[in-house]
Amino acid sequence: KAGVTQTPRYLIKTRGQQVTLSCSPISGHRSVSWYQQTPGQGLQFLFEYFSETQRNKGNFPGRFSGRQFSNSRSEMNVSTLELGDSALYLCASSLNRGLATEAFFGQGTRLTVV
Amino acid sequence: KQEVTQIPAALSVPEGENLVLNCSFTDSAIYNLQWFRQDPGKGLTSLLLIQSSQREQTSGRLNASLDKSSGRSTLYIAASQPGDSATYLCAVRSTHDNYGQNFVFGPGTRLSVLP
Repeated sequence: KAGVTQTPRYLIKTRGQQVTLSCSPISGHRSVSWYQQTPGQGLQFLFEYFSETQRNKGNFPGRFSGRQFSNSRSEMNVSTLELGDSALYLCASSLNRGLATEAFFGQGTRLTVV
Repeated sequence: KQEVTQIPAALSVPEGENLVLNCSFTDSAIYNLQWFRQDPGKGLTSLLLIQSSQREQTSGRLNASLDKSSGRSTLYIAASQPGDSATYLCAVRSTHDNYGQNFVFGPGTRLSVLP
C-alpha cells in the first residue's frame, strides 16, 4: 500500500515567485493537512482539507493557500515568496475527520527561497 | 492555547540502554496523542497513537503511556539500537473547537544511540 506522496521533493525559488506543492494521500484517505517545519518555529499547522473543503486554517498569511481535488489529492500554493518561507513542508493523510484516526506523513517538500 | 514541551531536548546513550522520552502538554482536553520519529531531512514516521481513553500503547520495543490528567506522556524505548537515532516528536489533538483537527507538536527530542 503506497504511503503519502509529496512532489517535488526539493524546490529552489526566488523571492517574489510563487510555488505549488502537491500531496497525494494514502488511497482511501480523505483528510489532508499541511504543516510547515522550520528550525526556529518547529512544526506549525497550515490548513486541513476534507471533501474538497478547507476545514481549518492555521495562523499563516493569505499568501498561503491550498485546495483539494475530488480524488483527495491536495495542493498548496505560496505566492510572493519570502526568504522566511524556506522550510520543509509536510503533508499528513488521515482516513477521515474523526479525531481518533491516525495521521501519516509524507517525506516532505524542501523549499528554499533565495 | 495548547502548548507541548519535550524533555530532554537531546539525549545520547550507548547501545543497549533502555530510555525514556518525556512529553508534556498544558491543556488536558485532548482527543489523542501521537508519537513520531523523524530522520534528518525526512518526513515523520508514526510510532504510536494513544487515544485519550487509553493509558498506554505498545509496539515492539516501544511503549508509550498517557496520563491525561497531569498532561504527560512518556515514550519508553527498550534495548536501544543505533538505528533508533532520530528526532522523536509528540503531538496532541485538542478537543477545543478553535484547535480544530490539527496537531500541536512538541519541539522534539534528538536521540543518538552510540554503537
